[in-house]
Amino acid sequence: EAGVVQSPRYKIIEKKQPVAFWCNPISGHNTLYWYLQNLGQGPELLIRYENEEAVDDSQLPKDRFSAERLKGVDSTLKIQPAELGDSAVYLCASSLDRERGEQFFGPGTRLTVL
Amino acid sequence: GESVGLHLPTLSVQEGDNSIINCAYSNSASDYFIWYKQESGKGPQFIIDIRSNMDKRQGQRVTVLLNKTVKHLSLQIAATQPGDSAVYFCAENRPRGAQKLVFGQGTRLTINP
Repeated sequence: EAGVVQSPRYKIIEKKQPVAFWCNPISGHNTLYWYLQNLGQGPELLIRYENEEAVDDSQLPKDRFSAERLKGVDSTLKIQPAELGDSAVYLCASSLDRERGEQFFGPGTRLTVL
Repeated sequence: GESVGLHLPTLSVQEGDNSIINCAYSNSASDYFIWYKQESGKGPQFIIDIRSNMDKRQGQRVTVLLNKTVKHLSLQIAATQPGDSAVYFCAENRPRGAQKLVFGQGTRLTINP
């Protein structure tokens, strides 16, 4: 069984440029999460989807961050414009549903903003 | 070897020894706890979990202990191997809103040959 797939694995951009990250969860997993992980810190939840509905986006900086999961399968997280402080690893995770909660993480996208 | 998690983020032990990684959680309403292992360049990987109605749970070479009185969680790894070298995170589930995991800072475990 394939795990959570994320692309790209690495991204380097200039500040003020846009960037997008893509995630394909494990087949059949209804719940999808985007996390931000700063160096040496634990992941912090940005947004959680139940199918195509964003049910918890309270930690998503909506002035520059947006996310979508149009068909309830794969998802895209976008930053526009990127700032220096956005440099981090962006992790995607999925779980069967919110009750059966083991979350499976992808390898992440390491973003560097110059 | 033993760490205090948030206050001692690195722990070194000899291969074959047992290790204990500690974690203090903050929310007394948290009802579910998970330990994750994260190797360099990879996402966190589930190790073991425990619900708040238990105080101990054992897996293969790992044991999680939960002390709700002092809001403390520990991960014991028996007979450590080089492949155990990683950063270990505890995470607590805040039940309000369901399935909101809050991760601790993490402890880097290094296994010395």
